[in-house]
Amino acid sequence: DIQMTQSPSTLSASVGDRVTITCRASQSISSWLAWYQQKPGKAPKLLIYKASSLESGVPSRFSGSGSGTEFTLTISSLQPDDFATYYCQQYNSFPWTFGQGTKVEIK
Amino acid sequence: EVQLVESGGGLVQPGGSLRLSCAASGFTFSSYEMNWVRQAPGKGLEWVSYISSSGSTIYYADSVKGRFTISRDNAKNSLYLQMNSLRAEDTAVYYCARVTEQLVLGYWGQGTLVTVSS
Repeated sequence: DIQMTQSPSTLSASVGDRVTITCRASQSISSWLAWYQQKPGKAPKLLIYKASSLESGVPSRFSGSGSGTEFTLTISSLQPDDFATYYCQQYNSFPWTFGQGTKVEIK
Repeated sequence: EVQLVESGGGLVQPGGSLRLSCAASGFTFSSYEMNWVRQAPGKGLEWVSYISSSGSTIYYADSVKGRFTISRDNAKNSLYLQMNSLRAEDTAVYYCARVTEQLVLGYWGQGTLVTVSS
């Protein structure tokens, strides 16, 4: 199985900050990586697919990059609505696997 | 508008069984692959199972293989998860999720809580 490792686990930041979350795969997944945002008590929301493609309706301050085994999610200017937990997920091969999550907290 | 509504969750004793349902609307259900994803209380997301649009291809996480069965009824626009031999570690919110045209989990239900406890 492909293991996905996110860092950091928790991130404290202020509104307006540039935020970067890293996701590493235990083997190459090409660009078959997605990023999700989840708020407490809610279902996850797709942000990015195929490593760098922005899902329709998602603000352009979100961006993704990487390929192979190293990926990043960047929020260019953190907004109040962005405080949430973020997950990466590989869909290169079954079983699909998620990273453990990164909680973005208010500093 | 795509809508996915899960039902069937509840409290069950260890070793018991439960059947989850997911009612789909707002799209041509028979054209899309579907999945179950779960989240234990306070924990991260765990993919559970996948079923192709026709139902001919199925995958499971190792943690549920042999105990859970995914199925679908395209005539009823419904997805199911039969869960047998339930364990305490199966306690979670279970989400049904539809893939997008890009084959990622783009649409999610609100989830249904399964609690396995004596």
